[in-house]
Amino acid sequence: DTAVSQTPKYLVTQMGNDKSIKCEQNLGHDTMYWYKQDSKKFLKIMFSYNNKELIINETVPNRFSPKSPDKAHLNLHINSLELGDSAVYFCASSPGTSDTDTQYFGPGTRLTVL
Amino acid sequence: GDSVTQMEGPVTLSEEAFLTINCTYTATGYPSLFWYVQYPGEGLQLLLKATKADDKGSNKGFEATYRKETTSFHLEKGSVQVSDSAVYFCALTAYSGYSTLTFGKGTMLLVSP
Repeated sequence: DTAVSQTPKYLVTQMGNDKSIKCEQNLGHDTMYWYKQDSKKFLKIMFSYNNKELIINETVPNRFSPKSPDKAHLNLHINSLELGDSAVYFCASSPGTSDTDTQYFGPGTRLTVL
Repeated sequence: GDSVTQMEGPVTLSEEAFLTINCTYTATGYPSLFWYVQYPGEGLQLLLKATKADDKGSNKGFEATYRKETTSFHLEKGSVQVSDSAVYFCALTAYSGYSTLTFGKGTMLLVSP
C-alpha cells in the first residue's frame, strides 16, 4: 500500500499553461505539505495544511494555489506556468504539527515547462 | 533563521569503506534533527532522527548523534554497500507554532564495488 501518492509522476507542458498535481495520503495524518526541489536538489517548503486549513504559506508566487478538499488530499494548482517552475514537487504528510513528527514523502512529480 | 549546512559532495567510496557525512545546524530553541535519503528517481525516505540532545538515531547500519554543544548531527556508517549510493539530506524542524523541515543541500554518495 502506497502511503503518500502523487499524480502525475511526470508533467511536461508549455509556458503559460495551467496544471494541477494531486496528492493523497492513507496514513490518517492531519498535516500535509508541498515542497519544491530545484535542479540542484535543494528542497524548500512551499505550503502546509493542517486539517484542511492552510497554516504555512512561504513566499511562493500567487500563481500557486494549494487546495485541501479533505485532510487526506492536498492538491497544487499552478497558473500561467513559467520556465522557472520546472522542478520536482514533493508532497509529504505527518501525524500533526509537532517538531518531533516524522514527515513521509511521496515519490515526487517532475514538472518540465518548455 | 534556521539553517542546515552539509558537506558538499559527491562523496566517492569503495564498498566496505567507512562513511561520515558532516552536518551542522543553526536554530533557535531545541530542534529535532533528521537524516533523509533519496535514491535515484525516488522520493525521500526517513533514515533516522533524534529529538533531543545526546540522542542517537540509528537505522540500517547508519547512525548519528545529536550534539548540542557542537550543533552537529554527523551521519556515519561502518561499512558502506553499493546499494547505499544515494543523496543524503540533513534536516531540522524547530517548533515555532507550525513545524516544517529545513533541509541542507544534500550530499551525493557514490559507492563502487
